[in-house]
Amino acid sequence: GAVVSQHPSRVICKSGTSVKIECRSLDFQATTMFWYRQFPKKSLMLMATSNEGSKATYEQGVEKDKFLINHASLTLSTLTVTSAHPEDSSFYICSAPKWSTKGEETQYFGPGTRLLVL
Amino acid sequence: AQSVAQPEDQVNVAEGNPLTVKCTYSVSGNPYLFWYVQYPNRGLQFLLKYITGDNLVKGSYGFEAEFNKSQTSFHLKKPSALVSDSALYFCAVRAPVGALTFGSGTRLQVQP
Repeated sequence: GAVVSQHPSRVICKSGTSVKIECRSLDFQATTMFWYRQFPKKSLMLMATSNEGSKATYEQGVEKDKFLINHASLTLSTLTVTSAHPEDSSFYICSAPKWSTKGEETQYFGPGTRLLVL
Repeated sequence: AQSVAQPEDQVNVAEGNPLTVKCTYSVSGNPYLFWYVQYPNRGLQFLLKYITGDNLVKGSYGFEAEFNKSQTSFHLKKPSALVSDSALYFCAVRAPVGALTFGSGTRLQVQP
């Protein structure tokens, strides 16, 4: 398998502040990482694709100025929720693809970050 | 566009009985199909995938899934359920590379 970590696992912040969430691939390099958002008892919705060395690609309806993504290195992507509001409260999960020697890709997911905006 | 449907919000099964969690998909071209499991307040754990080859795919924790092209289905199965299998299960599809499209999830409840 492979390991993807996220930090922090849980964060509570005041409305109007910004929060940064880190996603790291611990034992492999990832030129691409994905950020998902999961609402309670709901499925995961893709927010954006993080690309190392270039701009992130956002899904329709996701505000790029609100959800800033920076793919700082081949093992690190960060998601910054700017000027957070209570409706941004959610479970944020990242994933990174790892390629096998057979050329097959498998997505490995981080443990998630629960954001609560008061 | 690709999509996944999980028709059951919840599946209840007694411990020791076989379980099935249903999934159907829609995708252009050959599907890359996945099953993931999520425990409370945790990320997703990979169970198994179908890329090509045998229609019956075996994965982690005794789970298996059967790819049926004519029915566009990829149902998850286990011969004998455990209480510890209780969790949220997601079916997903994607192109050869790229992000996953997830189904709505099915909560599996295994009763002792």
